[in-house]
Amino acid sequence: AQTVTQSQPEMSVQEAETVTLSCTYDTSENNYYLFWYKQPPSRQMILVIRQEAYKQQNATENRFSVNFQKAAKSFSLKISDSQLGDTAMYFCAFWTSGTYKYIFGTGTRLKVLA
Amino acid sequence: DTGVSQNPRHKITKRGQNVTFRCDPISEHNRLYWYRQTLGQGPEFLTYFQNEAQLEKSRLLSDRFSAERPKGSFSTLEIQRTEQGDSAMYLCASSGIDTEAFFGQGTRLTVV
Repeated sequence: AQTVTQSQPEMSVQEAETVTLSCTYDTSENNYYLFWYKQPPSRQMILVIRQEAYKQQNATENRFSVNFQKAAKSFSLKISDSQLGDTAMYFCAFWTSGTYKYIFGTGTRLKVLA
Repeated sequence: DTGVSQNPRHKITKRGQNVTFRCDPISEHNRLYWYRQTLGQGPEFLTYFQNEAQLEKSRLLSDRFSAERPKGSFSTLEIQRTEQGDSAMYLCASSGIDTEAFFGQGTRLTVV
């Protein structure tokens, strides 16, 4: 069975600084997708970034980038130039065509401090 | 298309009552998911539809829960004889082929 682990329940970062959120996963599949979702307080979950497992290049979206280590089954999210609006719960998620369902970690609560 | 829409946003019900939630996915998406999320936790998979076919249902779901997606469009999730442990946020998401899931704003259920 696939599992997703986020070992940092809470983190904080100063505005304009850089922070890295960790995620590890376990699967026997070779083709899959990984995602980071952001859930602001009392608001809906939105996609931050996605990574296809067959791509060696790490995905980037503006201030957000990932460090995808397939052999280590690690998928961390780096947020550069943190902004107050980045304050949210961040969930790492895994998807494979073997099961078609998204499996989520328990989340990391990120607080950006002014 | 304004995204995934869920109704109602909030529902308070007495223990033992039945409740039904509705989800309208993004129109071109053929996959629809229901998840449950409790405070401080990640979304927990409940069930999944591809078009109108319910392809998987979590073992965590008791037979008090039922979901439908008639004609592969909107979906409903019904909980019969609600219990206090059913209190949670119920999230709906949809996706197309090889795309990420888009989530609705959720229905917050409180069973009193």
